Amino acid sequence: DAGVIQSPRHEVTEMGQEVTLRCKPISGHNSLFWYRQTMMRGLELLIYFNNNVPIDDSGMPEDRFSAKMPNASFSTLKIQPSEPRDSAVYFCASSLVISGANVLTFGAGSRLTVL
Amino acid sequence: DQQVKQNSPSLSVQEGRISILNCDYTNSMFDYFLWYKKYPAEGPTFLISISSIKDKNEDGRFTVFLNKSAKHLSLHIVPSQPGDSAVYFCAAKGGGADGLTFGKGTHLIIQP
Repeated sequence: DAGVIQSPRHEVTEMGQEVTLRCKPISGHNSLFWYRQTMMRGLELLIYFNNNVPIDDSGMPEDRFSAKMPNASFSTLKIQPSEPRDSAVYFCASSLVISGANVLTFGAGSRLTVL
Repeated sequence: DQQVKQNSPSLSVQEGRISILNCDYTNSMFDYFLWYKKYPAEGPTFLISISSIKDKNEDGRFTVFLNKSAKHLSLHIVPSQPGDSAVYFCAAKGGGADGLTFGKGTHLIIQP
């Protein structure tokens, strides 16, 4: 299994541009999570999906952020328009949720720099 | 407000000795706890977990202890090895949510 695959690994863009981050979860996993890591706030949960349905998006910073999961093997996190404060590492993770236990497997992350 | 706190940003331990990483939580609804390890430029990787019905879980050199009354857990690594140098994150799950709440991490440095 190739694990959770994220692209791009690095993205440098200018303020105001649209950014799309992509994630392919592990086959057979039924939950997908988007996290953001910054020095100030650590790892924050932005949104998660169960069986392709968004369950909790309370961590999404504002309306500039949106996430979709059109099928079980693909998800996107979009920022439009991007701002310098969005600079962070964005992680996607997937898991097979079993009652009580939930071990997330993370991708390698997408490092975003907004100039 | 941080529901999962790791109060030591860094910890330096000599190779062969025991490393003890600490974590405190405030949400009494948390019922499952995990430790993740992260190397630079990689995603966090799962290390060990414990359910709230237990107070200890052991896996090789790694042991996690849970003190529910104190809302405290710790990760013991013994003996510590150079490859253990990484950032360690404490995480918790509960209250009906599937997402994990993470602490800010402790950077463990194993000195030869």
